[in-house]
Amino acid sequence: QKEVEQNSGPLSVPEGAIASLNCTYSDRGSQSFFWYRQYSGKSPELIMSIYSNGDKEDGRFTAQLNKASQYVSLLIRDSQPSDSATYLCAVNQDSNYQLIWGAGTKLIIKP
Amino acid sequence: DVKVTQSSRYLVKRTGEKVFLECVQDMDHENMFWYRQDPGLGLRLIYFSYDVKMKEKGDIPEGYSVSREKKERFSLILESASTNQTSMYLCASMRVKETQYFGPGTRLLVL
Repeated sequence: QKEVEQNSGPLSVPEGAIASLNCTYSDRGSQSFFWYRQYSGKSPELIMSIYSNGDKEDGRFTAQLNKASQYVSLLIRDSQPSDSATYLCAVNQDSNYQLIWGAGTKLIIKP
Repeated sequence: DVKVTQSSRYLVKRTGEKVFLECVQDMDHENMFWYRQDPGLGLRLIYFSYDVKMKEKGDIPEGYSVSREKKERFSLILESASTNQTSMYLCASMRVKETQYFGPGTRLLVL
């Protein structure tokens, strides 16, 4: 069974620090990787996508992909209380219509 | 911007009622999905559709059916609502090999 694993948390990080969220996946054929943010009671929203090994930066967010080790991570620099949310990792295989979802990591930014 | 809309944000139904949840997307996406999300269980796929009149079962299709008569519209039907179907229902759409975009969600309470 294809799986995506995340630590459920909660991960507590002081305001202004770097939050590091990790995700591992089981299918070596995976091609596309996504990070979604979900506030309580709201639907998930895409914040980052990454398709090739290395780092991809967008503002305070950096996604990191290592296909050899089968993990993808999300770094949030200068964490703000508004970053407090659940972060979902999702993986897409090239031949599949679906995304395989992790259960999410709850992030709490402490003022 | 991609827009995915759902017919209701909140819905209260009685056990045994037939329930229709509708989802409409405006980006001509081929694929559409219905998920339910419960605390601690993450996103669980109920059904998805990769074309008009085509449907595939997801991980938890029991008690549900779907309809896709037009490309932009994907309906989820609870034939006879039960209390264990109380949940947040999320619709999503995507273009093949790209990311998923979610609607705002419908919080369904079955009494």
